[in-house]
Amino acid sequence: EVQLVESGGDLLQPGRSLRLSCAASGFTFDDYAMHWVRQAPGKGLEWVAGVDWNGGKIGFADSVKGRFTISRDNAKNCLFLQMNSLRAEDSALYYCAKARTLDAATPYDSWGQGTLVTVSS
Amino acid sequence: EIVMTQSPATLSVSPGERATLSCRASQSVSSNLAWYQQKPGQAPRLLIYGASTRATGVPARFSGSGSGTEFTLTISSLQSEDFAVYYCQQYNNWPSGFGQGTRLEIK
Repeated sequence: EVQLVESGGDLLQPGRSLRLSCAASGFTFDDYAMHWVRQAPGKGLEWVAGVDWNGGKIGFADSVKGRFTISRDNAKNCLFLQMNSLRAEDSALYYCAKARTLDAATPYDSWGQGTLVTVSS
Repeated sequence: EIVMTQSPATLSVSPGERATLSCRASQSVSSNLAWYQQKPGQAPRLLIYGASTRATGVPARFSGSGSGTEFTLTISSLQSEDFAVYYCQQYNNWPSGFGQGTRLEIK
């Protein structure tokens, strides 16, 4: 069974940094692209960032470009999101999602339960 | 950036009836379109990909159609568990994008 468990969410002030992690199990991690998707309270889904199976292709939403980085450790079956210069509008539940294939341009067939990030002074 | 627009924002339908949800892309996404279902307090669930292919375990009452810029999700006979929010997503180009969602509620 595929399991994705996010961690690292916190309450912090604007301008601070935070690193989210996603521990994956139940599948061959380095056979699939991975993504981060966020959802502000009561709002819709927003794709944040994605990485293909070996990190060769990486992409970001315009809203986070230059502030967030995505990485993966295939040896440890983990996905990461480094978030710098956080803003109030980054407050959301952050989901880790598994793509259907190794190509990042495929939909997401498994999702974690999310980790909550709140940015407030 | 491709903008995805869903309509209507809210759809009220009685159990057993058919529901039709629409999604429009601001430019062609070919058939690289997915639909997700999200229930309160839960993560999204993939329903349809490739515009018309049901994901594993998705009931046959869910069907998708369309290509290019116009897409439709149809639920043929609504069950109580189908009342939820539905999102479309294009994955033809980066950045990937979701529609704003359609809330399907019980009439």
